[in-house]
Amino acid sequence: GEDVEQSLFLSVREGDSSVINCTYTDSSSTYLYWYKQEPGAGLQLLTYIFSNMDMKQDQRLTVLLNKKDKHLSLRIADTQTGDSAIYFCAENGSGTYKYIFGTGTRLKVLA
Amino acid sequence: GAVVSQHPSWVICKSGTSVKIECRSLDFQATTMFWYRQFPKQSLMLMATSNEGSKATYEQGVEKDKFLINHASLTLSTLTVTSAHPEDSSFYICSARGSTSGDHEQYFGPGTRLTVT
Repeated sequence: GEDVEQSLFLSVREGDSSVINCTYTDSSSTYLYWYKQEPGAGLQLLTYIFSNMDMKQDQRLTVLLNKKDKHLSLRIADTQTGDSAIYFCAENGSGTYKYIFGTGTRLKVLA
Repeated sequence: GAVVSQHPSWVICKSGTSVKIECRSLDFQATTMFWYRQFPKQSLMLMATSNEGSKATYEQGVEKDKFLINHASLTLSTLTVTSAHPEDSSFYICSARGSTSGDHEQYFGPGTRLTVT
């Protein structure tokens, strides 16, 4: 079956880097995504990575993909209090457009 | 671009009544729309996939007679929760995928919070 796992909580100090990890099981996934959800709100796409890439950087965000270990990470540099939210990774299986979401990581940024 | 809206943003209804939630793609045509449910402090669970003009495909464990989905046009899908009960209280989120071949992204609506009393 498809299972996407994340650690539940992460707490960092403002200005530090945050690293949110995700492991998945579907090796046929074509794309992997990172979404941010603020309280009571919908999902905001932060970035995504194609499965044949190892790394993608977009301003303060760096995504690393280790296909061998089926491990995905999101690094947020210079974390700000406005980054406090729940972060979800998601994968889409090859041949489908369905997303399988991870369990979500609640990031708390301490001032 | 790629904006998806949902209406209403929140709704409170009595047990036994039906509630309709609308999902619209505002500036693009959506071949496929997805409906998710999110319980407090949990992840999003896909309920069903709907393609314009055809019947929705429901995920295992989702009652199709309880959660009626209609995707009558390329910009509108509706989810009707029939005979709602308190356990149906949840955050319902829709997403839409564009009609361009190879368009892998889903664009998410802001969600609808349903409370059944």
